[in-house]
Amino acid sequence: AQKITQTQPGMFVQEKEAVTLDCTYDTSDPSYGLFWYKQPSSGEMIFLIYQGSYDQQNATEGRYSLNFQKARKSANLVISASQLGDSAMYFCAMREGSGGYQKVTFGTGTKLQVIP
Amino acid sequence: DAGVIQSPRHEVTEMGQEVTLRCKPISGHNSLFWYRQTMMRGLELLIYFNNNVPIDDSGMPEDRFSAKMPNASFSTLKIQPSEPRDSAVYFCASGQTVPGGGTQYFGPGTRLLVL
Repeated sequence: AQKITQTQPGMFVQEKEAVTLDCTYDTSDPSYGLFWYKQPSSGEMIFLIYQGSYDQQNATEGRYSLNFQKARKSANLVISASQLGDSAMYFCAMREGSGGYQKVTFGTGTKLQVIP
Repeated sequence: DAGVIQSPRHEVTEMGQEVTLRCKPISGHNSLFWYRQTMMRGLELLIYFNNNVPIDDSGMPEDRFSAKMPNASFSTLKIQPSEPRDSAVYFCASGQTVPGGGTQYFGPGTRLLVL
């Protein structure tokens, strides 16, 4: 089974609208973390937001929020008020384990295009 | 604050040559990760270090690849001999291993082309 599944290879959104990028995960580890990264066409990987498995509230960072539904094992990224600069690849990732041992798995990514 | 620093940013070499990629993690971070990104395979974790000790190298493709972290501020990924299929973007990332945390911050990557 895939550890991280991103079912949307590509998405379009109108500028200033909100968009949700899907991510589901699979783990039996009680301690894990979920990340979202943005990769623009320039190639760098930009950290956006983090959610720990024990966090009680959904993480938010500016226009980014993570809709964490633990029972459903989903960690969708919500981008509010989309901007043209949001056009990029978005990767969901999961870190399993804690302390000195960690295993990190990335999803295949979703290409978001913001339309003016 | 300086982010993760990688060098070189671009490398073009011929098959059979040795390639060494370098990484300087963010000061104070105790974990370091090497990733490879290709169109075919996506982003793959090659190896990671915690407190300069290799913890998991199961992602290293074969013996041609080796990685070292002689101290907390420097790591290398070496490919010897290189092959065309090694062409990819290689990322280094660092993070702080803390309970409930562990965000990784990526360097700009090294674009490797093996002819």
